[in-house]
Amino acid sequence: DAGVIQSPRHEVTEMGQEVTLRCKPISGHDYLFWYRQTMMRGLELLIYFNNNVPIDDSGMPEDRFSAKMPNASFSTLKIQPSEPRDSAVYFCASLGNFEQFFGPGTRLTVL
Amino acid sequence: KQEVTQIPAALSVPEGENLVLNCSFTDSAIYNLQWFRQDPGKGLTSLLLIQSSQREQTSGRLNASLDKSSGRSTLYIAASQPGDSATYLCAVRGDPQGGSEKLVFGKGTKLTVNP
Repeated sequence: DAGVIQSPRHEVTEMGQEVTLRCKPISGHDYLFWYRQTMMRGLELLIYFNNNVPIDDSGMPEDRFSAKMPNASFSTLKIQPSEPRDSAVYFCASLGNFEQFFGPGTRLTVL
Repeated sequence: KQEVTQIPAALSVPEGENLVLNCSFTDSAIYNLQWFRQDPGKGLTSLLLIQSSQREQTSGRLNASLDKSSGRSTLYIAASQPGDSATYLCAVRGDPQGGSEKLVFGKGTKLTVNP
């Protein structure tokens, strides 16, 4: 398996624009997680899904953030409109029996 | 609410030294604990996972221990090498019976091994 795949790897956009981050989990993993990492706050869980259903979105910072998982092999995290304080690295992870496996991340810069 | 603390925040050692990284957590009702490595600009790589019923796990020069009752874990790195330089993160997973598969992360220990 290729592991967790995320795209794009880097995204630079201007304030107010819509940003869509994409994730393909490891095949057969039932859980998918979206995290955000910044120097100030470390690694924060935004939302996670079980069998494509959102289970806990309490970490989503604002209504500007939304996430979907239309099928077992694809998820998106959307920010609309984006703001400079959204600049961070966004990670997707999937959970096998016991371990979480992380994607390489998307580095988002909002100017 | 589970909180995970890692001490020290940064550590610099000469090559060849044995070292210990510490992780503590406030709620002992955990399912498992994972240690990750993160290189600059990269994602997280899982190093070791310890189930709540286990006391330790070993992989090569790495040994992780878990004392659930006291809320502590240590990662021991033997004979450190410059290639071990990275940030090491500890994460605990809540009890799935309580409906939580979430990992709660510490802020990491940045390790530098000097040649």
